[in-house]
Amino acid sequence: AQKVTQAQTEISVVEKEDVTLDCVYETRDTTYYLFWYKQPPSGELVFLIRRNSFDEQNEISGRYSWNFQKSTSSFNFTITASQVVDSAVYFCALPIITQGGSEKLVFGKGTKLTVNP
Amino acid sequence: ETGVTQTPRHLVMGMTNKKSLKCEQHLGHNAMYWYKQSAKKPLELMFVYSLEERVENNSVPSRFSPECPNSSHLFLHLHTLQPEDSALYLCASSLQRTRLNTEAFFGQGTRLTVV
Repeated sequence: AQKVTQAQTEISVVEKEDVTLDCVYETRDTTYYLFWYKQPPSGELVFLIRRNSFDEQNEISGRYSWNFQKSTSSFNFTITASQVVDSAVYFCALPIITQGGSEKLVFGKGTKLTVNP
Repeated sequence: ETGVTQTPRHLVMGMTNKKSLKCEQHLGHNAMYWYKQSAKKPLELMFVYSLEERVENNSVPSRFSPECPNSSHLFLHLHTLQPEDSALYLCASSLQRTRLNTEAFFGQGTRLTVV
């Protein structure tokens, strides 16, 4: 099965707290990629990061960091010192190739993060 | 600004109406997609177009009819919809439909309510 599970439906934190969003994936492919997207209230999905299965190094971009663990099939996302502007729904996604030969993003159900002042 | 523009942003239509959603990208991408986002369900792929040719129809009912007149524009024609079709419809584009290592760019979506 090709599947992404985001077990946390909603998380609420107070500004400046650190928060980790979990993502667990299943894939039959030996080579694959994983994405994180952010969906603010305005609706569009904003691309945050792409990670390939070759590279298990953690990645940091400002207050954002990602922890990729192949052994546990997880690709968790941490926001350090959260801010109100981080409030959004965050999606983890696994791109796959369909039977028709097209790329398709398999999304988790998303985690709604609310950062309160 | 992601480079993918969708209009209208909001649409309310009756079950007997016909309306169209529009998507435009000027990123030079060859693949365009329609996704549906319903409450409490994961985002679902509906259609894929590559170089103006429909290459995927993900078992979508015929009351949804896509059209891609050129590589920059994508439409979703709607007719005789049901209330359960109310959702956020997202358009996306990517460089090529067969490459997994390039991200898709999404529009802001059209929030559709069927009454």
